[in-house]
Order: sequence, then structure tokens, then C-alpha cells
Amino acid sequence: DGGITQSPKYLFRKEGQNVTLSCEQNLNHDAMYWYRQDPGQGLRLIYYSQIVNDFQKGDIAEGYSVSREKKESFPLTVTSAQKNPTAFYLCATTSDTVTYEQYFGPGTRLTVT
Amino acid sequence: AQSVTQLDSQVPVFEEAPVELRCNYSSSVSVYLFWYVQYPNQGLQLLLKYLSGSTLVKGINGFEAEFNKSQTSFHLRKPSVHISDTAEYFCAVSEGYGGSQGNLIFGKGTKLSVKP
Repeated sequence: DGGITQSPKYLFRKEGQNVTLSCEQNLNHDAMYWYRQDPGQGLRLIYYSQIVNDFQKGDIAEGYSVSREKKESFPLTVTSAQKNPTAFYLCATTSDTVTYEQYFGPGTRLTVT
Repeated sequence: AQSVTQLDSQVPVFEEAPVELRCNYSSSVSVYLFWYVQYPNQGLQLLLKYLSGSTLVKGINGFEAEFNKSQTSFHLRKPSVHISDTAEYFCAVSEGYGGSQGNLIFGKGTKLSVKP
């Protein structure tokens, strides 16, 4: 089955710890995105990558880091510098460089206490 | 800067009633428009999209949307809703290659609540 997987579905961490969220795709899409979702705020772009070994900051990159060593994988690290890390995180991909229609993974809910 | 406004954060409606979820965008160039649906604790799923051509676009689950260039709107409609339509709906816009920094711009979402 072609698709986007995010694991785990639920993640719990203590404050001050770094945590890495996984995003894997077998759609052969070049571009990948990370969004953060908070109630009433919509989707806010954290980082995106249009090609392997290259990525750009989105609107809220502070406190986050990414890597893109393989086309299939775009892991997101939430660092201890992120002041309010508790949120729902969504990964998306696209192969369409004209319309940028995106396909979404199932999301990871991160809770930091 | 490009932006998307979803005019209602919550829309309650009774089952089998019609519904309209409103979306307005700001852009000085031609755009591509999308509606996504999100069920609780899930990712987003594409409902429908406007790329070009007919301004009335039909999507999955009986939804349709109309692109109005003069009013910069892309409202989503369904003539008769079901309990299963309860979800959050997101409008998104792209300016295409060279615009929007290669991204979709999303509205803040509208929560549709269908009551029996």
C-alpha cells in the first residue's frame, strides 16, 4: 500500500527532553512538510523539504530541527528549546510542483509534561 | 501576503439540513483552491479541489464548492448532511509554482457539528 506513516500515534515526554517524530513515505514524492496543529489555530508550517539534503524553515521553525537524508524519510526533532511542544504534528507530501496538492499522514500527538 | 479566512470557526446543523462553510482568500494572482476534511485524531483528507475550468467543483461524500474569482471565495456546500459529516474542514490555497514558497496556505478550520 502506498502512503505516509507517522509513528508513534501518541508520544509522551518529560519537559527538557528532545524527541524525534518519524515520517516515512513510499509515494516517491519529492517534497515533504511538517505542520503543527493546535486547537483553533489551523495548520502552521514548521519545516519543508523539496529535495533530499535540502530543507527550509516554515513559519514556526524555532525549537525544531529536521533532516532529509533519504527521499522516503523526513524526521522532525522537537528540542527542549521549544517552549510549548504539546500539539498534534502532521507530516505531508506532494509530487505536484504546479498546484502543491498535499497528502497527509495520520499524525502524532505529542504530550510534554 | 497570501491568506485564507474561514469565516466561521464552528457550524452546528441538524441532520439532513443543508450546510455552507465559507472560505475567502487574498491573492493577486491565479490560485489553486482546496478543501480538506479532518476527523478527530486523524490526518487531513482531500475533499475537492479547483484547478481551472468549471467554477463548480464536486468532491467526495456529496460535497461541492464554487469558485468565485470576483469575490475571492471558495465556499463549500452540501445539500443534506449526515452525522458522519461531523469533522473539521480546512480551506487551502496555492499560488502554484514560484508562488506561496511552494506551499499551501491553510485557513484556521471550521468545525462542523451535525446533530440528530
